[in-house]
Amino acid sequence: AQSVTQLDSQVPVFEEAPVELRCNYSSSVSVYLFWYVQYPNQGLQLLLKYLSGSTLVESINGFEAEFNKSQTSFHLRKPSVHISDTAEYFCALTKAAGNKLTFGGGTRVLVKP
Amino acid sequence: DTEVTQTPKHLVMGMTNKKSLKCEQHMGHRAMYWYKQKAKKPPELMFVYSYEKLSINESVPSRFSPECPNSSLLNLHLHALQPEDSALYLCASTQGTGASRGNYGYTFGSGTRLTVV
Repeated sequence: AQSVTQLDSQVPVFEEAPVELRCNYSSSVSVYLFWYVQYPNQGLQLLLKYLSGSTLVESINGFEAEFNKSQTSFHLRKPSVHISDTAEYFCALTKAAGNKLTFGGGTRVLVKP
Repeated sequence: DTEVTQTPKHLVMGMTNKKSLKCEQHMGHRAMYWYKQKAKKPPELMFVYSYEKLSINESVPSRFSPECPNSSLLNLHLHALQPEDSALYLCASTQGTGASRGNYGYTFGSGTRLTVV
């Protein structure tokens, strides 16, 4: 079975400061990894994904995540956050040959002015 | 069109009511999903439809009844729900399933917030 662990349930951060959201996974087979963001009272939006190839993936709004197979991690980072980044962030995975998306518990990011 | 559209956005229903949630996508995706999300929790998978056939039912109570009339439409019929079924219901789609899922990941709708009174 696969599982995803997000190590921090809440991360308070000041505006323009960097942030890192930690995600570790467990799987005996190849997986695809995702980060989703959920703004208050909204659905989930895909931030970025790792399928194969370069282990560093970037999103259009300044987030990046690095796949580390040896540490089974897929941490999300942003060098400078904005108030608008306040949201819930979910790390998720699927088996490369599967169709079930398994989520971590989520990390709530609160950006303070 | 790169969206998954869910209607209604909000729904309040009594425990004896029958209602339906609707999900629509026009991206040509052949797999569609229902997820349930309780407050401050991650989404939990309920059902998966692959090529209009039910492929996964995560032991969901029979008061939830999914239906996939065609490749663009997914319904969730609700009957005799309990207050604990109040949640955000999310629909998602993917290009395919398994190795044919494609590189687009899962596209989620904005959800239907259901309150059972």
